[in-house]
Amino acid sequence: AQSVTQPDIHITVSEGASLELRCNYSYGATPYLFWYVQSPGQGLQLLLKYFSGDTLVQGIKGFEAEFKRSQSSFNLRKPSVHWSDAAEYFCAVGSGNTPLVFGKGTRLSVIA
Amino acid sequence: DGGITQSPKYLFRKEGQNVTLSCEQNLNHDAMYWYRQDPGQGLRLIYYSQIVNDFQKGDIAEGYSVSREKKESFPLTVTSAQKNPTAFYLCASNREGLLNEQFFGPGTRLTVL
Repeated sequence: AQSVTQPDIHITVSEGASLELRCNYSYGATPYLFWYVQSPGQGLQLLLKYFSGDTLVQGIKGFEAEFKRSQSSFNLRKPSVHWSDAAEYFCAVGSGNTPLVFGKGTRLSVIA
Repeated sequence: DGGITQSPKYLFRKEGQNVTLSCEQNLNHDAMYWYRQDPGQGLRLIYYSQIVNDFQKGDIAEGYSVSREKKESFPLTVTSAQKNPTAFYLCASNREGLLNEQFFGPGTRLTVL
């Protein structure tokens, strides 16, 4: 069965600084990987996804993620964080045969 | 506008009462999902349905029930058997296939007093 670990529960960054949110997955075959974002009290929105091909994936809002099979990772990055990026971020893994499995999330705070 | 509607946004119930949470979508999606979200626990799947009149249990189905009589609707009933029902509940849907992008509703916060 697949699983997802997001090692950082809470991260604080300064506005304008770079950001990297970590995601490690466990799955025997080729995984399908996703990053979602959730604003407080709201539903989730898809940022980006990786199915195959180029291991560097571009998403919305200036985010990107890199799939590294050797490290079983799919870290989310942004070169310059804006205050509006403060939210909770979820990594998810899918197999195609079973529903997505979500990580526990990383809460991002942005300070001036 | 197409989307997913969950109502109400806040719901209060007394302990021992069943309560039904509404989820409606006008996206013509085949699959629908119910998740429970607790602080620090991420999203945990309660039930999902890939087609009308069929649904499967997720990881934490005990104490919950669902129906899928119409493609647009996937109501969730929280029964009195659910030991800790107070939580934030999210409904989602996607086109056919478990890997298509899930679209989420705004959620319902249920508080059992």
